Amino acid sequence: QKEVEQNSGPLSVPEGAIASLNCTYSDRGSQSFFWYRQYSGKSPELIMSIYSNGDKEDGRFTAQLNKASQYVSLLIRDSQPSDSATYLCAVRSDYKLSFGAGTTVTVRA
Amino acid sequence: GAVVSQHPSRVICKSGTSVKIECRSLDFQATTMFWYRQFPKQSLMLMATSNEGSKATYEQGVEKDKFLINHASLTLSTLTVTSAHPEDSSFYICSARTGTNTEAFFGQGTRLTVV
Repeated sequence: QKEVEQNSGPLSVPEGAIASLNCTYSDRGSQSFFWYRQYSGKSPELIMSIYSNGDKEDGRFTAQLNKASQYVSLLIRDSQPSDSATYLCAVRSDYKLSFGAGTTVTVRA
Repeated sequence: GAVVSQHPSRVICKSGTSVKIECRSLDFQATTMFWYRQFPKQSLMLMATSNEGSKATYEQGVEKDKFLINHASLTLSTLTVTSAHPEDSSFYICSARTGTNTEAFFGQGTRLTVV
């Protein structure tokens, strides 16, 4: 079983719609959770971090964490073409960050 | 966020040669640096973790004699790919953080092509 699982996509949404990304993890002791955005040929860039159950909003992004279900999600509201990228879910256990395979999002203009 | 600079961004080398990649934290002291490898359409795979002044900890399956990591100062870590082969061609990315529970920041990545 992979440590961090994501749907690979691609997820195609029209401009202005909500993109919903999901991630599950296997280590119940994980404490820190992150969403990174990676454009093709570039390194990941951190867009959200979440540490406690519930929702965390930052601009058009909302992260949701449910530790009991070992589930993390990311909502992108009012999706823009510039949001087209691969979104990586990352989970920290001990000192290591484990990454999911990423979900590719395409926002159609 | 903090700035991590990785150099070079692209390198092409001949099979059998060695390549050194540098990772610098520009505006903070990085107690821990991580090296990842990413093959096309795959996720980041952690290769090794280095703490300043001590030997790197390699992940299972990563050859420590092939991928030499040096973390001689709080702002610089290097990864040397020795005797590179075409299968080592990949995107290598470093990240750095200041403490155990702090966020990690990524360098720009190095695209290595071995011909």
